[in-house]
Amino acid sequence: GAVVSQHPSWVICKSGTSVKIECRSLDFQATTMFWYRQFPKQSLMLMATSNEGSKATYEQGVEKDKFLINHASLTLSTLTVTSAHPEDSSFYICSAHASGRSYNEQFFGPGTRLTVL
Amino acid sequence: DAKTTQPNSMESNEEEPVHLPCNHSTISGTDYIHWYRQLPSQGPEYVIHGLTSNVNNRMASLAIAEDRKSSTLILHRATLRDAAVYYCILRVSNSGNTPLVFGKGTRLSVIA
Repeated sequence: GAVVSQHPSWVICKSGTSVKIECRSLDFQATTMFWYRQFPKQSLMLMATSNEGSKATYEQGVEKDKFLINHASLTLSTLTVTSAHPEDSSFYICSAHASGRSYNEQFFGPGTRLTVL
Repeated sequence: DAKTTQPNSMESNEEEPVHLPCNHSTISGTDYIHWYRQLPSQGPEYVIHGLTSNVNNRMASLAIAEDRKSSTLILHRATLRDAAVYYCILRVSNSGNTPLVFGKGTRLSVIA
């Protein structure tokens, strides 16, 4: 199967700082990537859809100015949590759609655990 | 997307078969039934998917009711590594450009 990586795998930061999370498709091109957030003991919540070369589409209730998404190439999407606060502490997961395959499976990254102190 | 209903948790003995049910009574004709699972502290991984017919792959089998209002994921021999949260998801069409919307899933515990 295709591989999606995320970097970093975990990060601890002080309140008020910004954190960038990278999502890469390692062996395929991904015109569309998705960003999810998962709080402890809860399910994944879709945050936004990231399309290469265009603006991301955010789900209702997700602040686009706080969660900046950039999808500058077919293999890289980044999520920047700006002015992070403790309530932003969560497990952030990206997924990528592998273009051109017979079944449009989504491949998920291993996740990034963000802790804001 | 139509909603799915799954039991919160299930338990299985190691090397026994496991049947994980999913109800989707409001499924539409174009909804595909997808199953993903999430191991602890990892991203979800694809298990299987189907539209109308039963499906088998190396990981599991998917049994779809004739009226498509329910389905069952079958793990033929549960191992400790199968302990995870299993998500049954409906998605309109087979397009990978549409996101997967996760419900609460079923937490499967496997007992040695």
